[in-house]
Amino acid sequence: KAGVTQTPRYLIKTRGQQVTLSCSPISGHRSVSWYQQTPGQGLQFLFEYFSETQRNKGNFPGRFSGRQFSNSRSEMNVSTLELGDSALYLCASSLGTSWGDQPQHFGDGTRLSIL
Amino acid sequence: SQQGEEDPQALSIQEGENATMNCSYKTSINNLQWYRQNSGRGLVHLILIRSNEREKHSGRLRVTLDTSKKSSSLLITASRAADTASYFCATVLNQAGTALIFGKGTTLSVSS
Repeated sequence: KAGVTQTPRYLIKTRGQQVTLSCSPISGHRSVSWYQQTPGQGLQFLFEYFSETQRNKGNFPGRFSGRQFSNSRSEMNVSTLELGDSALYLCASSLGTSWGDQPQHFGDGTRLSIL
Repeated sequence: SQQGEEDPQALSIQEGENATMNCSYKTSINNLQWYRQNSGRGLVHLILIRSNEREKHSGRLRVTLDTSKKSSSLLITASRAADTASYFCATVLNQAGTALIFGKGTTLSVSS
């Protein structure tokens, strides 16, 4: 079974630009969550999608958005990039049962650097 | 904000020794999960322990949960150099979904 695939692996952007990151979950998984990881703030939850609906949202500004397609693949978009958006963005998929009662499977992330 | 807080932040041991990491959390939970992250990679799920369980084993890993103290510990026995990684505890944000709230993690270094 293929794992969670995130593309691209590395991305360099400049301030003010926008970026779209992609995540393909494990086949059969309906829940996709996104996390931002930085040395200062650690791992922070961005949002979760289940069956194309946003089910939970973290405390991030509106510049961060996401969506999920009917095949469960997900994208997240960051507009008007700031230096502080430099981070490793991780995607995780799971079956999506309530209370997160199943393990989440993570991709290797997209390393975003803002110049 | 972080739900779980790991202790210690960093741990250095020799191969063959045991490593113990602790995690405290703030709110009531349905389950608590432990993940490992190798440098520059994604997280790998290690163990999920439910709130009605007190101890769980998986190979060289032993996890305990004390809901009265809102704490959990991860014990790795007979550590190997390959265990060098960061370890995170995580709890679920709410009943509605699967969103995880992570602690800041413990960085484990195992030298041979």
